[in-house]
Amino acid sequence: SQTIHQWPATLVQPVGSPLSLECTVEGTSNPNLYWYRQAAGRGLQLLFYSIGIDQISSEVPQNLSASRPQDRQFILSSKKLLLSDSGFYLCAWSLGRSSGANVLTFGAGSRLTVL
Amino acid sequence: GENVGLHLPTLSVQEGDNSIINCAYSNSASDYFIWYKQESGKGPQFIIDIRSNMDKRQGQRVTVLLNKTVKHLSLQIAATQPGDSAVYFCAENSPPGGKLIFGQGTELSVKP
Repeated sequence: SQTIHQWPATLVQPVGSPLSLECTVEGTSNPNLYWYRQAAGRGLQLLFYSIGIDQISSEVPQNLSASRPQDRQFILSSKKLLLSDSGFYLCAWSLGRSSGANVLTFGAGSRLTVL
Repeated sequence: GENVGLHLPTLSVQEGDNSIINCAYSNSASDYFIWYKQESGKGPQFIIDIRSNMDKRQGQRVTVLLNKTVKHLSLQIAATQPGDSAVYFCAENSPPGGKLIFGQGTELSVKP
């Protein structure tokens, strides 16, 4: 069966510090991978999605970047965090486009607090 | 587009009552819809899905209704329990890109 791992679960970082959140998927090949952000009490905002290694699309201009160095690894980064980067970050995966229906499976989330 | 800037609407129900959570979707060409449940501090979890060639689908204590005429989706939860307390998101799959577009979300609170 497929599993998705996301870490760290919680992170407190000072403004201006770097960020690296990691996500890995097991039990499938060539998944679509996604990073979402969720502010407290609000909806899900798609940040990045990837259909393959080094193929990443950015949905919104921002202080963050994403990389996919391996097929089942997706990394969310920042060189200098802003206060507004605080939130709950969710990694998700789905089967590749050829599979048809696009069900996302989410990780447990990473809560980032920037002080 | 995604309703990410708005505070979540809330629905409060008594334990044992039925709950109905509504969602208006944006694209008349969307062909597949999903309901997710998100408990506090956790990632969203799949509840039930429905394809656009159907208007009703039932699961265990949950029913999803699709009205394509008015682009409306609803989730009905029978005999609501305290464990059903969570935020519920609808999502639509819009071709051709196939990305899921999430609705605003509704916070369900179950009173014992």
